[in-house]
Amino acid sequence: AQSVTQLDSQVPVFEEAPVELRCNYSSSVSVYLFWYVQYPNQGLQLLLKYLSGSTLVKGINGFEAEFNKSQTSFHLRKPSVHISDTAEYFCAVSEDFGNEKLTFGTGTRLTIIP
Amino acid sequence: ETGVTQSPTHLIKTRGQQVTLRCSSQSGHNTVSWYQQALGQGPQFIFQYYREEENGRGNFPPRFSGLQFPNYSSELNVNALELDDSALYLCASSLEQNTEAFFGQGTRLTVV
Repeated sequence: AQSVTQLDSQVPVFEEAPVELRCNYSSSVSVYLFWYVQYPNQGLQLLLKYLSGSTLVKGINGFEAEFNKSQTSFHLRKPSVHISDTAEYFCAVSEDFGNEKLTFGTGTRLTIIP
Repeated sequence: ETGVTQSPTHLIKTRGQQVTLRCSSQSGHNTVSWYQQALGQGPQFIFQYYREEENGRGNFPPRFSGLQFPNYSSELNVNALELDDSALYLCASSLEQNTEAFFGQGTRLTVV
C-alpha cells in the first residue's frame, strides 16, 4: 500500500522569502508523484507532476519539486513567494501512470506574511 | 471547453437520509473519479468510473455508490448518512484513463 506524509501542517513565510514544503512517500512499486494547490472554497489545481525522467520538475506559478528516490521524498520549493501563494498544498502519489486513484497527504497550509 | 462542474455546491442532510451528488465532466472526458475530503484532511479516493463501468474503488462501504451516464456525467449516492460523512466531495474527470484529471470545485455536504 502506498502512503504520503506531509511533515508540516502549517508553514508561515514572509513575502518574497523562499519556501520548501516537505513530502515523503512510501510504496512497494514505482510511483508517480504530484503536488496540488487548493485555494479557499476551490477544488484542486495541479501544480506539477513527476512521471519519469529528470528528477527536477518545474510547474506553474514558479514552483518546482525534486524527486529523490533514495530518500523517498518529493519536496516542493519556490524561491520567492507572493501573497497569492497563500493556500493549502497537497502532495499525492499514484501507482497508475497519470493522476487517477491518487493517495493524498494531509496537506500543508502555506501562509504568506506581508 | 467547459470545466468540471458539480452540483449542488452546498447541502445539508439529516443522519439516516440519502443524498445524490452530481458531476458534469469536462467536454470529451470519459473517466470520472470521486474523492471525499474531510475537514483538515487530504482527499480520499472513493471510486472511479470509466465508460460507465466502475474501475477501481477505495476503502469506502457499499452505501457509497455511483453511476456514470452515456454522456459521461456522473452521480455519487450515499445511503444511510452518518455524521462522519460530512465532507467536501470532489469529482475529477480525465480524457482517458491514465491522463491528467481535472477537479471540480466540490460539493460540501453537512450531515446533522
